[in-house]
Amino acid sequence: GAVVSQHPSRVICKSGTSVKIECRSLDFQATTMFWYRQFPKQSLMLMATSNEGSKATYEQGVEKDKFLINHASLTLSTLTVTSAHPEDSSFYICSAQAGSGTEAFFGQGTRLTVV
Amino acid sequence: GDSVTQMEGPVTLSEEAFLTINCTYTATGYPSLFWYVQYPGEGLQLLLKATKADDKGSNKGFEATYRKETTSFHLEKGSVQVSDSAVYFCALVWGGNQFYFGTGTSLTVIP
Repeated sequence: GAVVSQHPSRVICKSGTSVKIECRSLDFQATTMFWYRQFPKQSLMLMATSNEGSKATYEQGVEKDKFLINHASLTLSTLTVTSAHPEDSSFYICSAQAGSGTEAFFGQGTRLTVV
Repeated sequence: GDSVTQMEGPVTLSEEAFLTINCTYTATGYPSLFWYVQYPGEGLQLLLKATKADDKGSNKGFEATYRKETTSFHLEKGSVQVSDSAVYFCALVWGGNQFYFGTGTSLTVIP
């Protein structure tokens, strides 16, 4: 199947700093990428939908100024957690799809710990 | 709106036991249905899928049949192994690109 690479897999940062997470589709063009957040032992919470070349669509309750999403090309989307706080510590997962209604391919996830 | 209801866990089984994880869905149209598996500390991997009614998805001994009449997509495996221990997510997509996930079911298989 198609490969989605997410980097880094783990990151520890100090409170108040920013962290960037990359999501790349390695062997297909992803018109749409999604960013999820997963709390321990819970399901995935969709944060935002990212379309190449346009602004991301954020789910209700997700601060767009805190979670900056950029989808600059058909193979790369980035999520930047700005001014991180300990409550932002979580597992972040991206997914990518080649077209509507098709299978979603997931990245390996990023474990963010803010200290 | 569209949604997925999944059997709550955790589920603990002995090796070689039969597994069923229930999943039902609500959708305004005819969605595609998926089962994803998440191993500890990793992202989600597609386990199997079905795109229309009566389709059966299968992979690695797991099976699920798309039942339109009962709006269900239950996951089954005849004989589980320790390596099947993971969290399993039922999901649907219809119309657009957004996936709707169930809450996940944690499976632990003991030797």
